[in-house]
Amino acid sequence: DAKTTQPPSMDCAEGRAANLPCNHSTISGNEYVYWYRQIHSQGPQYIIHGLKNNETNEMASLIITEDRKSSTLILPHATLRDTAVYYCIVRVTSYDKVIFGPGTSLSVIP
Amino acid sequence: ETGVTQSPTHLIKTRGQQVTLRCSSQSGHNTVSWYQQALGQGPQFIFQYYREEENGRGNFPPRFSGLQFPNYSSELNVNALELDDSALYLCASRSGTGRNTEAFFGQGTRLTVV
Repeated sequence: DAKTTQPPSMDCAEGRAANLPCNHSTISGNEYVYWYRQIHSQGPQYIIHGLKNNETNEMASLIITEDRKSSTLILPHATLRDTAVYYCIVRVTSYDKVIFGPGTSLSVIP
Repeated sequence: ETGVTQSPTHLIKTRGQQVTLRCSSQSGHNTVSWYQQALGQGPQFIFQYYREEENGRGNFPPRFSGLQFPNYSSELNVNALELDDSALYLCASRSGTGRNTEAFFGQGTRLTVV
């Protein structure tokens, strides 16, 4: 199963861009990278996903390296409401048997 | 709001009892997955149902079982509750089983076993 590694915690100043890295060096060619976030005691919230091209939506941008071994989630203008645990996951099969690691705890600081 | 609703929101049970948790999936979604999230950890996959059939299971014992109904709502049943079953139980729904479909999570059921 493809696994991901993320830094355990990060800080970001309010209004600045938050760049959250993720390593997925064992990813296979047809596996997508997904990002979710979880605000304390709530259900995870879908953010964005991609295969090999960079993706952007109203919440964030996803930059995937050309070799697909790592990616970066970018929150362009972080707000206090973006404080959460961010999970980078790889969908390894058609199941949702994804491996949620401990994620990155992002703190947005006023 | 994702359109995925779970009930109840909180539940307290005694060790050895049985519990049923319920999930109503988002409209049009025929795939439901269940997760267990212990305090301070990421969600752990329990199993997935697609069109009323279980088609994937994580490392959980048989006392964790489920059902999916024709309207795609789902139940998670846990028998012989243990103290370690105390956790947030999440369900997620999506359309189909392809890799390119995002899952939407409910707010979870907080189960406490005493």
